[in-house]
Amino acid sequence: QKEVEQNSGPLSVPEGAIASLNCTYSDRVSQSFFWYRQYSGKSPELIMSIYSNGDKEDGRFTAQLNKASQYVSLLIRDSQPSDSATYLCAVNRLARSGNQFYFGTGTSLTVIP
Amino acid sequence: KAGVTQTPRYLIKTRGQQVTLSCSPISGHRSVSWYQQTPGQGLQFLFEYFSETQRNKGNFPGRFSGRQFSNSRSEMNVSTLELGDSALYLCASSRGQPLTDTQYFGPGTRLTVL
Repeated sequence: QKEVEQNSGPLSVPEGAIASLNCTYSDRVSQSFFWYRQYSGKSPELIMSIYSNGDKEDGRFTAQLNKASQYVSLLIRDSQPSDSATYLCAVNRLARSGNQFYFGTGTSLTVIP
Repeated sequence: KAGVTQTPRYLIKTRGQQVTLSCSPISGHRSVSWYQQTPGQGLQFLFEYFSETQRNKGNFPGRFSGRQFSNSRSEMNVSTLELGDSALYLCASSRGQPLTDTQYFGPGTRLTVL
């Protein structure tokens, strides 16, 4: 079982719609959760981090965390063509050797004008 | 505050050669992690250095090695290059603190092996 799992997509939404991206993780001791956006040929860029259960909003982005279900999601409201990218979910858990980060393989999002 | 920098940005090598990539973390960050990214493979973790010590290591052959200097700058070396080593190599830095540690990525080095 992979540490972090995401649907690879592609996910297509029309401009102005809400895009919903989902992620599950396997280890209950995971403590921090992140969403990165990666444009083709570029490096991942941090969008959101979330540490406690519930919702966290930042502009058009909302991250949702449910530790009981080991589930993290990212909602993008009023999707724009510039949001078209691959979205990576990542988790961080404290191990004996220090923090360990695990990344999903990413969900490709296309926003159709 | 300057971000993570990586040099060189692009590199072309031939099979059998070796290569050294460099990463300078964000000021104050003591942890540097290296990842390999190829189409369809996602981010593959290579290793992590913290305070000049390799703290974690992924499942890559011994041809891949790294080190970290006292100023937290890190280098990654790949010896005896193979065609399959062509990839985007990403470096990420973080403070290395538990609970709220966050990784920030550099722009990457695009390595092409011919």
